[in-house]
Amino acid sequence: KQEVTQIPAALSVPEGENLVLNCSFTDSAIYNLQWFRQDPGKGLTSLLLIQSSQREQTSGRLNASLDKSSGRSTLYIAASQPGDSATYLCAVRRDGGYQKVTFGTGTKLQVIP
Amino acid sequence: KAGVTQTPRYLIKTRGQQVTLSCSPISGHRSVSWYQQTPGQGLQFLFEYFSETQRNKGNFPGRFSGRQFSNSRSEMNVSTLELGDSALYLCASSLPGQGFEADTQYFGPGTRLTVL
Repeated sequence: KQEVTQIPAALSVPEGENLVLNCSFTDSAIYNLQWFRQDPGKGLTSLLLIQSSQREQTSGRLNASLDKSSGRSTLYIAASQPGDSATYLCAVRRDGGYQKVTFGTGTKLQVIP
Repeated sequence: KAGVTQTPRYLIKTRGQQVTLSCSPISGHRSVSWYQQTPGQGLQFLFEYFSETQRNKGNFPGRFSGRQFSNSRSEMNVSTLELGDSALYLCASSLPGQGFEADTQYFGPGTRLTVL
């Protein structure tokens, strides 16, 4: 059974700081990994998706990396802004096609102006 | 392009009742997944539909069911509601296929269900 863990559960940083969020998964047989952000009481917004054959993806100030062999992914946020404050979730889809998605526990990020 | 829409946005029911939630995917998307989000359990996968067929199912009791119509719109039903069913129910759509755009899941705003 796939287990996905995100550490830390909460993080508070001053504006402008570069930061890294971590996502660990127990079963390396994954199809893809997706990072989301969720604002309070809202749905999820897709940030980046990494296919199992890829090592990283970039979008603006965000960079996500994937190391399947070690069961880890990181989300790097450069020059953090107060608007980045949200809960960040990673989600892993198991290999073998259209297998169910397992979500991580989330990291609640607060960027202080 | 319109995003994923879910109706209703808020719902209050009492124990023992049943409820039906609706999800309209992004135009052209054929896969719809449902998730339950609670403070204690986080986001948990309920089921996934593709072309009117249930492709995957999570570990939820049979009281939770769903279906997908030929226009890709999906509904989920919960019968005999329990207090523990109070949650945010999220729906996500995707193409799916190969590559970033095809596999990316796009989420709706969710339906907040409160069971009294």
